[in-house]
Amino acid sequence: QSALAQPASVSGSPGQSLTISCTGASSDLGGYNYVSWYQHHPGKAPKLIIYEDSNRPSGISNRFSGSKSDNTASLTVSGLQAEDEANYYCSSYTSSSNVVFGGGTKLTVL
Amino acid sequence: QVQLVQSGAEVKKPGASVKVSCKASGYTFTSYDICWVRQATGQGLEWMGWMNPISGNTDYAQKFQGRVTMTRNTSISTAYLKLSSLRSEDTAVYYCARDITGLGAFDIWGQGTVVTVSS
Repeated sequence: QSALAQPASVSGSPGQSLTISCTGASSDLGGYNYVSWYQHHPGKAPKLIIYEDSNRPSGISNRFSGSKSDNTASLTVSGLQAEDEANYYCSSYTSSSNVVFGGGTKLTVL
Repeated sequence: QVQLVQSGAEVKKPGASVKVSCKASGYTFTSYDICWVRQATGQGLEWMGWMNPISGNTDYAQKFQGRVTMTRNTSISTAYLKLSSLRSEDTAVYYCARDITGLGAFDIWGQGTVVTVSS
């Protein structure tokens, strides 16, 4: 199972919005509504911010939103803040009853 | 509060095995699957497999088939990861996580266990 494809890095200024893409295949991301997104600050445990493509867990800011079209999922961060600087990973359930992660995207707040 | 607490750092020689524990508290251990994810230095997250705490049924990533074993002791709400035939490439931080949907949404994570494989 190949990793989902994410851009290595994205950057934006405070207050701006930006989007991170996550591309898979019909056997994973495109075939199920089970994409999750995680925020990961180095040295800490990952944090679930989106699940089932577009649902936010309790306590997650509505500045984070998820969507999906065909084999590509997207995470949008609006009103960028300094604390959003982190690594972001997408993941998807697969036809093999496994889970596959993306390679990760480093988000930098300029 | 709901949490997963993992065992401490390990240093192992190539060819050895390591067993990491993950103790759940604050919720009913048997209500959610537990998965294991690792992150090698400078690399991304890698899903290793998951386990149903009620049945003990497991599903492992193909990459780890034959080397990984996930077990649990429901009486003490603890899950275990055993990785055998260790090699230097297995040096990583290993996380356990709770799956709230059973389909890959990991909402509670352990603090991570550093496993170093070195001769």
